[in-house]
Amino acid sequence: KNEVEQSPQNLTAQEGEFITINCSYSVGISALHWLQQHPGGGIVSLFMLSSGKKKHGRLIATINIQEKHSSLHITASHPRDSAVYICAVRLEETSGSRLTFGEGTQLTVNP
Amino acid sequence: AAGVIQSPRHLIKEKRETATLKCYPIPRHDTVYWYQQGPGQDPQFLISFYEKMQSDKGSIPDRFSAQQFSDYHSELNMSSLELGDSALYFCASSLEYGRGSGNTIYFGEGSWLTVV
Repeated sequence: KNEVEQSPQNLTAQEGEFITINCSYSVGISALHWLQQHPGGGIVSLFMLSSGKKKHGRLIATINIQEKHSSLHITASHPRDSAVYICAVRLEETSGSRLTFGEGTQLTVNP
Repeated sequence: AAGVIQSPRHLIKEKRETATLKCYPIPRHDTVYWYQQGPGQDPQFLISFYEKMQSDKGSIPDRFSAQQFSDYHSELNMSSLELGDSALYFCASSLEYGRGSGNTIYFGEGSWLTVV
């Protein structure tokens, strides 16, 4: 069982829809990152969370430490949001700052 | 704003050859991470450096080595290349966890290595 699991693996939406991507983890963490990876391969860090909620433009990320769960929401989705969204955590047990990645969610937003 | 710079962006090598990837972190970032992402796979942590010292080690093969230099740039050296080493190699940088505002990790665009 992966330490970090995302759902859904694939998501297709129509432009304007509200989108939710979920991330669950099975171990203690010190931080959780939401990342965006475009087809060219580059990764962009969207959020880093250790508690609560963060908002940036149309993106909202929440985390519930007790339930070991985080969600990434995209409001008023747009075709340019199409990308792979990755949840990555820094495990408490690691002495360094490495990230453990989820398998990613492939989002396609159709016009 | 300056981002994490990786070079080369694309590299083709033959089996048993050697390759070197370079990473230039965001100015004032003192921590560099290397990740390997095989085709259709999640990124896997290889190694990290803080203030020019190795700070953490992951699934980095013995054929690979890395270091961080005095200007904080890092190089990943890969020898005796195998077909399975074909992957996208990411570098990321941050301020060391526990310092700075948020310690967000910034990723480079990655270096595509193809071993033929």
